[in-house]
Amino acid sequence: AQSVTQLDSQVPVFEEAPVELRCNYSSSVSVYLFWYVQYPNQGLQLLLKYLSGSTLVKGINGFEAEFNKSQTSFHLRKPSVHISDTAEYFCAVTRGRQAGTALIFGKGTTLSVSS
Amino acid sequence: KAGVTQTPRYLIKTRGQQVTLSCSPISGHRSVSWYQQTPGQGLQFLFEYFSETQRNKGNFPGRFSGRQFSNSRSEMNVSTLELGDSALYLCASSLESAGELFFGEGSRLTVL
Repeated sequence: AQSVTQLDSQVPVFEEAPVELRCNYSSSVSVYLFWYVQYPNQGLQLLLKYLSGSTLVKGINGFEAEFNKSQTSFHLRKPSVHISDTAEYFCAVTRGRQAGTALIFGKGTTLSVSS
Repeated sequence: KAGVTQTPRYLIKTRGQQVTLSCSPISGHRSVSWYQQTPGQGLQFLFEYFSETQRNKGNFPGRFSGRQFSNSRSEMNVSTLELGDSALYLCASSLESAGELFFGEGSRLTVL
């Protein structure tokens, strides 16, 4: 069975500092990987996705992630965060087209950016 | 282009009652998925519908059901509500399978 582990439940950082949110997954088959962001009282918004091809994926709002198959990781990074990046971030995996849109989510990482 | 619309946004029910939540996907999207979000269990997949057919189902009891109409709008129903059903129920639509999911703002259900 697949699973997703987000290694940090909370990450506090100062504005303009770099940040990395860590995500590891387990799967015996090829997967598609996603990062979503959820602002308070809102639904989820896709930040970026890895389906195939280049292992470095660039997303919206200056975020990027690197797919590492050997370490089964998909860590999210941003070189300089803003106050507005404060939100909950979710890593998710799906078994590709066989699983349709049935995503398995991690527990989430709360990113708190302060000035 | 209008996003995914979920109604109602908030509702309060008592144990034993039933509830129906509605989701209107983005125009042209044929896949609709439902997720339950709680502080303890996080985000869990409920089911997915594509062209009025249930294509995938998560590990939830039979009290949770859904359907999709010919215009791709979807409803989910929870019967015999329990306190543990209190959650944010999120609907998401997609143009195709395994593509990007577009989420609505959710329906927050409180069971008393």
